[in-house]
Amino acid sequence: GEDVEQSLFLSVREGDSSVINCTYTDSSSTYLYWYKQEPGAGLQLLTYIFSNMDMKQDQRLTVLLNKKDKHLSLRIADTQTGDSAIYFCAESAYGGSQGNLIFGKGTKLSVKP
Amino acid sequence: ETGVTQSPTHLIKTRGQQVTLRCSSQSGHNTVSWYQQALGQGPQFIFQYYREEENGRGNFPPRFSGLQFPNYSSELNVNALELDDSALYLCASSSDGSNQPQHFGDGTRLSIL
Repeated sequence: GEDVEQSLFLSVREGDSSVINCTYTDSSSTYLYWYKQEPGAGLQLLTYIFSNMDMKQDQRLTVLLNKKDKHLSLRIADTQTGDSAIYFCAESAYGGSQGNLIFGKGTKLSVKP
Repeated sequence: ETGVTQSPTHLIKTRGQQVTLRCSSQSGHNTVSWYQQALGQGPQFIFQYYREEENGRGNFPPRFSGLQFPNYSSELNVNALELDDSALYLCASSSDGSNQPQHFGDGTRLSIL
């Protein structure tokens, strides 16, 4: 079945780069997404990548996709304390699931000053 | 541009009661998806509405039902509430059906006593 897995915790120092990793199982996924959730809030769309791309860069964010290994990563350059949040990887399940998003359990990023 | 808004922000109910949660989609969006996020978990897809019709459903029982109105706003109804229904309910909107980026509201926190 469809499944998305992420490591649960990541701790970095302010100014360092953060790399959050994700693996997914549905090879038919068309898009893969990264969302950010701050305490008590909903999900903020950070970026997404089409499955025929290898990389996408958007300011401090770089997404890398290895479709062969079904591995997705999000790199945050020059991590700030305001980046502390939970980051969710999600794949879009197309076809029979009509485009719903399958989420991982989220990676809690802690940024130490 | 108005984002996705949900009401109420918090709600307390008791077992066996019924609840209605509301969502106004982002302007220009005609698709609304609902998700349930239990504490410490990623969001789980409940169903999606596209142009007032159900356009896909996750693994939730029939006591979870929904509606979409001509202005694309939506309701989630849950009957016969159970303790396990305690969660954050998230609404997301997107344009033109499946596989478009979904933008989330801040959710409704439902507590069942």
